[in-house]
Amino acid sequence: KAGVTQTPRYLIKTRGQQVTLSCSPISGHRSVSWYQQTPGQGLQFLFEYFSETQRNKGNFPGRFSGRQFSNSRSEMNVSTLELGDSALYLCASSPQYMNTEAFFGQGTRLTVV
Amino acid sequence: GESVGLHLPTLSVQEGDNSIINCAYSNSASDYFIWYKQESGKGPQFIIDIRSNMDKRQGQRVTVLLNKTVKHLSLQIAATQPGDSAVYFCAETDPPGGSQGNLIFGKGTKLSVKP
Repeated sequence: KAGVTQTPRYLIKTRGQQVTLSCSPISGHRSVSWYQQTPGQGLQFLFEYFSETQRNKGNFPGRFSGRQFSNSRSEMNVSTLELGDSALYLCASSPQYMNTEAFFGQGTRLTVV
Repeated sequence: GESVGLHLPTLSVQEGDNSIINCAYSNSASDYFIWYKQESGKGPQFIIDIRSNMDKRQGQRVTVLLNKTVKHLSLQIAATQPGDSAVYFCAETDPPGGSQGNLIFGKGTKLSVKP
């Protein structure tokens, strides 16, 4: 069974640009969550999608958004990039949205210059 | 200015010894906990989970202990191997009983295994 796949693995963007990251969950998993990992803040929850609906959102500005498609694949978008958005963005999938184990992808390393 | 990096606690053990990694969680109502292992350049890897109606759960070479009285979790790794070297995170659900997607992660502990 293939794991969680995130693309691209690495990205370099310029301040002010926008970026879209993609996540394909494990087959059969319907919940996808996104996390930001930085050396200063650690792992922080961005948002979670289940059945194409955003179920939970963390404390991030509106520049961070996401969506989920009918095949459970998810994308997150960051607009008007700032230097502080440089981070490892991780996607996790799980079969359901209620207290079940979450499996992470390898992440997308975003660098904003 | 540049963000100060998290100062990760470090645990250094000899190969073959047992390791114990500790974690304090914040919400006494949390009902689901997970331990993750993150190797350099990779995403967190699920190790083991435990629900609040249990005190102990065992996996392959790993055991998680939950002490709800003092809001403490521990991960025990038996016969630690060099491949166990990584950063270990505990996570709890937020809100308790709510979506698994909203996990609150601890700062992590770096485990270093000496051959």
